[in-house]
Amino acid sequence: DAGVIQSPRHEVTEMGQEVTLRCKPISGHNSLFWYRQTMMRGLELLIYFNNNVPIDDSGMPEDRFSAKMPNASFSTLKIQPSEPRDSAVYFCASSLSPSGSLDTQYFGPGTRLTVL
Amino acid sequence: AQSVSQHNHHVILSEAASLELGCNYSYGGTVNLFWYVQYPGQHLQLLLKYFSGDPLVKGIKGFEAEFIKSKFSFNLRKPSVQWSDTAEYFCAVNPSTGGGNKLTFGTGTQLKVEL
Repeated sequence: DAGVIQSPRHEVTEMGQEVTLRCKPISGHNSLFWYRQTMMRGLELLIYFNNNVPIDDSGMPEDRFSAKMPNASFSTLKIQPSEPRDSAVYFCASSLSPSGSLDTQYFGPGTRLTVL
Repeated sequence: AQSVSQHNHHVILSEAASLELGCNYSYGGTVNLFWYVQYPGQHLQLLLKYFSGDPLVKGIKGFEAEFIKSKFSFNLRKPSVQWSDTAEYFCAVNPSTGGGNKLTFGTGTQLKVEL
């Protein structure tokens, strides 16, 4: 099993540009999570999906952030326009959650985003 | 909203020393508890988890954690650390009911083990 796959691993962009982060969950998993990790705030849940449907997006910082999951094997997190304070490591995680119950989350390697 | 506190932000130990990392949560109901580890340059991996039953949980690599409900704590322990345990450790909590799949993480404890 390849685990959770994220791309790109590193992204450097300029303020105002659009950034798209990609995630492929573990095959068969039906829950997907996007987290942001910073020194100041630690690991924060941004949004999560169950069966491709967004369940809780209360952690999304503002309208500049959006996330989609068009199918069970792919999700994107988009920031438009990006700002320097968005610089962080963004993790995607997936889990197999029958009936919406909690199960172990498996994390991807993360995307390190730097906004200049 | 629940929160998770990890009071030790940085810990430095010598090899073979014993380790205890603190984790406290604020939630009055029944909870599921986790410890994750992030080795340098790697992604988060599950160390151990507690859902119910024996409050002393054994994890991988010789780690264990004890759930003390009266203290709202889930401290991580290892009797003898190794240099390879150098990593960042995260405690996480999910309410057993009504929490959905959400995990709330602590801010992490950076452990450095010196030879």
